[in-house]
Amino acid sequence: ELKVEQNPLFLSMQEGKNYTIYCNYSTTSDRLYWYRQDPGKSLESLFVLLSNGAVKQEGRLMASLDTKARLSTLHITAAVHDLSATYFCAVDSANFGNEKLTFGTGTRLTIIP
Amino acid sequence: KAGVTQTPRYLIKTRGQQVTLSCSPISGHRSVSWYQQTPGQGLQFLFEYFSETQRNKGNFPGRFSGRQFSNSRSEMNVSTLELGDSALYLCASTWTGRLNTEAFFGQGTRLTVV
Repeated sequence: ELKVEQNPLFLSMQEGKNYTIYCNYSTTSDRLYWYRQDPGKSLESLFVLLSNGAVKQEGRLMASLDTKARLSTLHITAAVHDLSATYFCAVDSANFGNEKLTFGTGTRLTIIP
Repeated sequence: KAGVTQTPRYLIKTRGQQVTLSCSPISGHRSVSWYQQTPGQGLQFLFEYFSETQRNKGNFPGRFSGRQFSNSRSEMNVSTLELGDSALYLCASTWTGRLNTEAFFGQGTRLTVV
Protein backbone atom coordinates (compact mmCIF):
# COMPACT_ATOMS: atom_id res chain seq x y z
CA GLU A 1 0.00 0.00 0.00
CA LEU A 2 1.36 3.36 -1.02
CA LYS A 3 2.15 5.69 1.87
CA VAL A 4 2.94 9.37 1.52
CA GLU A 5 4.51 11.22 4.41
CA GLN A 6 4.95 14.95 4.69
CA ASN A 7 6.92 16.91 7.20
CA PRO A 8 6.61 19.09 9.00
CA LEU A 9 2.89 18.99 9.74
CA PHE A 10 2.90 22.55 10.99
CA LEU A 11 5.26 25.32 10.08
CA SER A 12 5.36 28.89 11.30
CA MET A 13 7.85 31.09 9.60
CA GLN A 14 8.66 34.72 9.54
CA GLU A 15 8.24 36.75 6.41
CA GLY A 16 11.39 36.85 4.36
CA LYS A 17 12.71 33.49 5.54
CA ASN A 18 13.32 30.35 3.50
CA TYR A 19 12.08 26.88 4.30
CA THR A 20 11.50 23.45 2.77
CA ILE A 21 8.61 21.01 3.04
CA TYR A 22 9.47 17.35 2.49
CA CYS A 23 7.36 14.62 0.92
CA ASN A 24 8.43 10.97 1.08
CA TYR A 25 6.56 8.13 -0.56
CA SER A 26 6.87 4.41 -0.24
CA THR A 27 6.58 2.87 -3.71
CA THR A 28 7.89 3.57 -7.15
CA SER A 29 6.13 6.39 -8.90
CA ASP A 30 7.25 9.06 -11.29
CA ARG A 31 4.26 11.31 -10.92
CA LEU A 32 4.05 13.67 -8.01
CA TYR A 33 1.84 16.70 -7.50
CA TRP A 34 1.74 19.61 -5.12
CA TYR A 35 -1.50 21.32 -4.14
CA ARG A 36 -2.40 24.31 -2.03
CA GLN A 37 -5.55 24.55 0.06
CA ASP A 38 -6.83 27.71 1.75
CA PRO A 39 -9.18 27.32 4.73
CA GLY A 40 -12.61 26.17 3.65
CA LYS A 41 -11.54 26.06 0.03
CA SER A 42 -10.75 23.43 -2.55
CA LEU A 43 -7.37 22.25 -3.81
CA GLU A 44 -5.37 24.40 -6.18
CA SER A 45 -2.80 22.66 -8.37
CA LEU A 46 0.69 24.11 -7.93
CA PHE A 47 3.12 21.74 -9.62
CA VAL A 48 3.11 18.56 -11.66
CA LEU A 49 6.41 16.64 -11.50
CA LEU A 50 6.67 13.79 -13.96
CA SER A 51 10.26 12.60 -14.05
CA ASN A 52 13.33 12.10 -11.92
CA GLY A 53 15.18 15.34 -11.42
CA ALA A 54 12.20 17.47 -12.41
CA VAL A 55 12.32 20.95 -11.00
CA LYS A 56 9.59 23.54 -11.38
CA GLN A 57 9.36 27.07 -10.05
CA GLU A 58 6.53 29.52 -9.73
CA GLY A 59 7.18 32.76 -7.92
CA ARG A 60 8.56 32.05 -4.46
CA LEU A 61 7.82 28.31 -4.67
CA MET A 62 10.07 25.67 -6.19
CA ALA A 63 9.35 21.95 -6.30
CA SER A 64 11.70 19.11 -7.13
CA LEU A 65 11.46 15.35 -7.49
CA ASP A 66 14.00 12.61 -6.81
CA THR A 67 12.33 9.34 -7.78
CA LYS A 68 15.29 7.23 -6.66
CA ALA A 69 15.07 8.63 -3.14
CA ARG A 70 11.26 8.74 -3.41
CA LEU A 71 11.43 12.30 -2.21
CA SER A 72 9.97 15.58 -3.32
CA THR A 73 10.61 18.97 -1.80
CA LEU A 74 8.69 22.23 -1.89
CA HIS A 75 11.02 25.13 -1.20
CA ILE A 76 9.72 28.51 -0.14
CA THR A 77 11.94 31.50 -0.75
CA ALA A 78 11.53 34.80 1.10
CA ALA A 79 8.10 33.89 2.42
CA VAL A 80 5.26 36.38 2.28
CA HIS A 81 1.95 36.33 4.15
CA ASP A 82 -0.02 35.33 1.03
CA LEU A 83 1.68 31.95 1.10
CA SER A 84 -0.08 30.99 4.32
CA ALA A 85 -2.10 27.85 3.48
CA THR A 86 -1.99 24.08 3.76
CA TYR A 87 0.20 22.36 1.21
CA PHE A 88 -0.31 18.78 0.10
CA CYS A 89 1.83 16.50 -1.96
CA ALA A 90 0.13 13.65 -3.80
CA VAL A 91 1.43 10.62 -5.63
CA ASP A 92 -0.28 8.91 -8.51
CA SER A 93 -0.68 5.21 -7.86
CA ALA A 94 -2.70 4.32 -10.93
CA ASN A 95 -1.19 3.05 -14.14
CA PHE A 96 -1.61 6.25 -16.08
CA GLY A 97 -2.80 9.76 -15.62
CA ASN A 98 -3.41 10.89 -12.09
CA GLU A 99 -6.81 9.49 -11.47
CA LYS A 100 -5.91 7.88 -8.16
CA LEU A 101 -3.96 10.19 -5.95
CA THR A 102 -2.63 9.29 -2.54
CA PHE A 103 -2.18 12.44 -0.52
CA GLY A 104 0.24 13.32 2.20
CA THR A 105 -1.00 14.58 5.54
CA GLY A 106 -0.50 18.19 4.54
CA THR A 107 1.71 20.94 5.94
CA ARG A 108 -0.07 23.88 7.49
CA LEU A 109 2.09 26.88 6.77
CA THR A 110 1.65 30.13 8.67
CA ILE A 111 3.69 33.15 7.67
CA ILE A 112 4.18 35.60 10.51
CA PRO A 113 4.75 39.27 9.65
CA LYS B 1 -13.36 27.77 -19.66
CA ALA B 2 -15.67 26.60 -16.91
CA GLY B 3 -14.13 24.75 -14.01
CA VAL B 4 -15.31 21.73 -12.10
CA THR B 5 -18.77 22.26 -10.63
CA GLN B 6 -19.99 20.44 -7.58
CA THR B 7 -23.50 20.65 -6.21
CA PRO B 8 -24.75 21.22 -3.67
CA ARG B 9 -22.08 23.14 -1.77
CA TYR B 10 -23.49 22.35 1.64
CA LEU B 11 -25.72 19.59 2.96
CA ILE B 12 -27.06 18.66 6.36
CA LYS B 13 -28.47 15.17 6.69
CA THR B 14 -29.66 12.94 9.50
CA ARG B 15 -28.11 9.60 10.38
CA GLY B 16 -29.62 6.80 8.36
CA GLN B 17 -30.56 8.98 5.41
CA GLN B 18 -28.94 8.82 2.03
CA VAL B 19 -27.37 11.58 -0.04
CA THR B 20 -26.39 12.17 -3.65
CA LEU B 21 -23.65 14.56 -4.67
CA SER B 22 -23.05 15.77 -8.20
CA CYS B 23 -19.93 16.72 -10.13
CA SER B 24 -19.70 18.25 -13.59
CA PRO B 25 -16.15 18.02 -14.95
CA ILE B 26 -14.36 20.43 -17.21
CA SER B 27 -15.60 20.15 -20.77
CA GLY B 28 -13.65 17.47 -22.60
CA HIS B 29 -12.43 15.73 -19.45
CA ARG B 30 -13.56 12.13 -19.24
CA SER B 31 -12.15 11.09 -15.87
CA VAL B 32 -13.82 12.04 -12.61
CA SER B 33 -12.41 11.07 -9.24
CA TRP B 34 -13.93 11.51 -5.81
CA TYR B 35 -12.12 12.19 -2.54
CA GLN B 36 -13.21 12.51 1.05
CA GLN B 37 -11.46 15.01 3.30
CA THR B 38 -11.77 14.85 7.08
CA PRO B 39 -9.60 16.34 9.84
CA GLY B 40 -8.80 12.90 11.17
CA GLN B 41 -8.14 10.90 7.99
CA GLY B 42 -7.06 13.64 5.63
CA LEU B 43 -7.71 13.28 1.92
CA GLN B 44 -8.75 9.79 0.88
CA PHE B 45 -9.54 8.44 -2.57
CA LEU B 46 -13.05 7.09 -3.00
CA PHE B 47 -13.33 6.04 -6.66
CA GLU B 48 -12.64 7.08 -10.21
CA TYR B 49 -14.77 6.88 -13.32
CA PHE B 50 -13.75 7.04 -16.94
CA SER B 51 -16.17 6.75 -19.83
CA GLU B 52 -18.96 5.60 -17.51
CA THR B 53 -16.84 2.80 -16.02
CA GLN B 54 -15.37 2.63 -12.54
CA ARG B 55 -11.64 2.08 -12.99
CA ASN B 56 -10.32 2.52 -9.46
CA LYS B 57 -11.86 2.16 -6.05
CA GLY B 58 -10.59 3.13 -2.61
CA ASN B 59 -11.10 1.39 0.70
CA PHE B 60 -14.58 2.56 1.56
CA PRO B 61 -17.63 0.48 2.50
CA GLY B 62 -20.27 -0.40 -0.03
CA ARG B 63 -22.48 2.39 1.28
CA PHE B 64 -20.39 4.65 -0.92
CA SER B 65 -21.18 4.30 -4.59
CA GLY B 66 -20.98 6.35 -7.72
CA ARG B 67 -21.71 6.49 -11.38
CA GLN B 68 -20.83 8.47 -14.44
CA PHE B 69 -23.10 9.51 -17.24
CA SER B 70 -22.41 9.69 -20.97
CA ASN B 71 -21.71 13.44 -20.69
CA SER B 72 -19.01 12.65 -18.09
CA ARG B 73 -21.00 14.14 -15.22
CA SER B 74 -20.69 12.01 -12.13
CA GLU B 75 -22.68 11.41 -9.01
CA MET B 76 -21.73 9.77 -5.76
CA ASN B 77 -24.21 8.33 -3.33
CA VAL B 78 -23.85 7.55 0.33
CA SER B 79 -26.55 5.42 1.88
CA THR B 80 -27.36 4.88 5.54
CA LEU B 81 -25.39 7.91 6.61
CA GLU B 82 -23.24 7.76 9.72
CA LEU B 83 -21.86 10.62 11.79
CA GLY B 84 -18.38 9.74 10.55
CA ASP B 85 -19.43 10.48 6.98
CA SER B 86 -19.36 14.19 7.79
CA ALA B 87 -16.65 15.53 5.52
CA LEU B 88 -15.73 17.69 2.58
CA TYR B 89 -16.26 15.67 -0.59
CA LEU B 90 -14.13 16.78 -3.50
CA CYS B 91 -14.30 15.69 -7.08
CA ALA B 92 -11.46 16.02 -9.54
CA SER B 93 -11.62 16.24 -13.30
CA THR B 94 -8.79 14.97 -15.50
CA TRP B 95 -8.18 14.77 -19.21
CA THR B 96 -6.45 11.43 -19.51
CA GLY B 97 -4.43 10.30 -22.45
CA ARG B 98 -1.31 12.34 -21.89
CA LEU B 99 1.37 11.85 -19.29
CA ASN B 100 1.34 15.45 -18.17
CA THR B 101 -2.25 15.46 -17.01
CA GLU B 102 -3.27 17.17 -13.84
CA ALA B 103 -6.39 16.92 -11.74
CA PHE B 104 -8.56 19.98 -11.30
CA PHE B 105 -10.69 20.01 -8.21
CA GLY B 106 -14.15 21.39 -7.66
CA GLN B 107 -15.11 23.54 -4.69
CA GLY B 108 -16.40 20.55 -2.82
CA THR B 109 -19.59 19.59 -1.04
CA ARG B 110 -19.50 19.90 2.72
CA LEU B 111 -21.70 17.20 4.20
CA THR B 112 -22.73 17.34 7.82
CA VAL B 113 -24.47 14.32 9.33
CA VAL B 114 -26.37 14.98 12.56
